[in-house]
Parts: sequence; C-alpha cells; structure tokens
Amino acid sequence: EVQLVESGGGLVQPGGSLRLSCAASGFIFSNYGIMWVRQAPGAGLHWVSGISGSGGSTYYADSVKGRFTISRDNSKNTVHLQMNSLRAEDTAVYYCAKWDGYGDFWGQGTLVTVSS
Amino acid sequence: EIVLTQSPGTLSLSPGERATLSCRASQSVSSSYLAWYQQKPGQAPRLLIYDASSRAAGIPDRFSGSGSGTDFTLTISRLEPEDIAVYFCQQYGSSPRTFGQGTKVEIK
Repeated sequence: EVQLVESGGGLVQPGGSLRLSCAASGFIFSNYGIMWVRQAPGAGLHWVSGISGSGGSTYYADSVKGRFTISRDNSKNTVHLQMNSLRAEDTAVYYCAKWDGYGDFWGQGTLVTVSS
Repeated sequence: EIVLTQSPGTLSLSPGERATLSCRASQSVSSSYLAWYQQKPGQAPRLLIYDASSRAAGIPDRFSGSGSGTDFTLTISRLEPEDIAVYFCQQYGSSPRTFGQGTKVEIK
C-alpha cells in the first residue's frame, strides 16, 4: 500500500524557516518524483515544487523560487522541503504527492502557519 | 503559465443526475496532460482522471473525462451523495504545473 506522511509543519514568525519532510512507503521510491502542493485556508491547490526520482532535477513555482529548496534521500525514502524567508502568504496545508506528472497518491498534509 | 478556468463555480444537483464540469485552458495543454482530482472536506485530494480521459485505479466508472487542446470535461454520469466534494483540474504538460480554482458539487 502506497503511503506518504508529511511532518514538520507548525507556527513560525515571518522571515523564519521550517523544514518539511515527506516519508514514503509502498513503492520503489527512487523510481518516482515527488511534488509538494499547498492549499491556503479556504482556497484552491497551488503547485509548489517537484523533484525527480534520482534527485537530479528540481522544479519550483516562481512564488517560492530562491526561498524553498527541495531535496531527497533515497536511502531513507524521504523528501524534504526547506522553506526560508517565510511570509504570511506561505500559510497553508502542504501536501506531498507521488508525482508522475500528476499526483496519484497524496499524504494527509501538514499545516504551516506564518504569523507573528 | 497556463491558466485553468473551471466552471461553474458551484453545481447543485439531485442524486442520480448527470454532472458536467468544465476546465478551460488559456493555451493548448500538451499531449492532453490534464488530470482531475476530488477533494472532500478535511481530506487530501484524490486522483480521479489522468491524461484527460484515463480513470485512476479504483475510481468508479460513473466518473469520466474527455477533451483536448484547451477544453476539458469531467462527467459524473449519475451523482451519488458521496460525490459531494470540490473538483480540481490540473495541467502537467508545461511548467509551472497549474491547477484550476475548483468546482464545488452540492447535492440538492
């Protein structure tokens, strides 16, 4: 059974940093990309970042480029999203998903709140 | 960036009725790389359709997708009470990947 579990969310002040993690199981991890998608309260879905199975290719939305860094550790079946210089508009539930262009399996999400 | 516009914003139908949801792209979506997701309150999105018309594993056959180019449709042939949700389209033919704003389906 494919499972993805996010962790690392919480309350952080503007300008602060957080590191999200996505732990995956139930599939050959290194064969698949992973993407992060966020959803602000009461709003729609917004694609944030993606990483290829090997980790050799990374992709970012313009809104987070230069502030967020995606990485993966295939020995631990884990993807990380390092978020720096956080802003109030980064407040959202962050989902990771197994990424094959589309997201065929999703985690339950972790809430990030940026507020003073 | 490809902008996806979904319509209507809200759809209110009775059980057993046919639901037709539209997703229109500002530019042609490469290779019909369009997906549909269902999101129920408090839950993560669930993949329904990929490549515009292929049903994901375990999805009931009352859900179907069609379209190409800039116009795509998700059809629920006979609405069930458990289909109450917000439905999102997403294109993955070009970067950045983008989502539509969603269509909320309500039971009348």
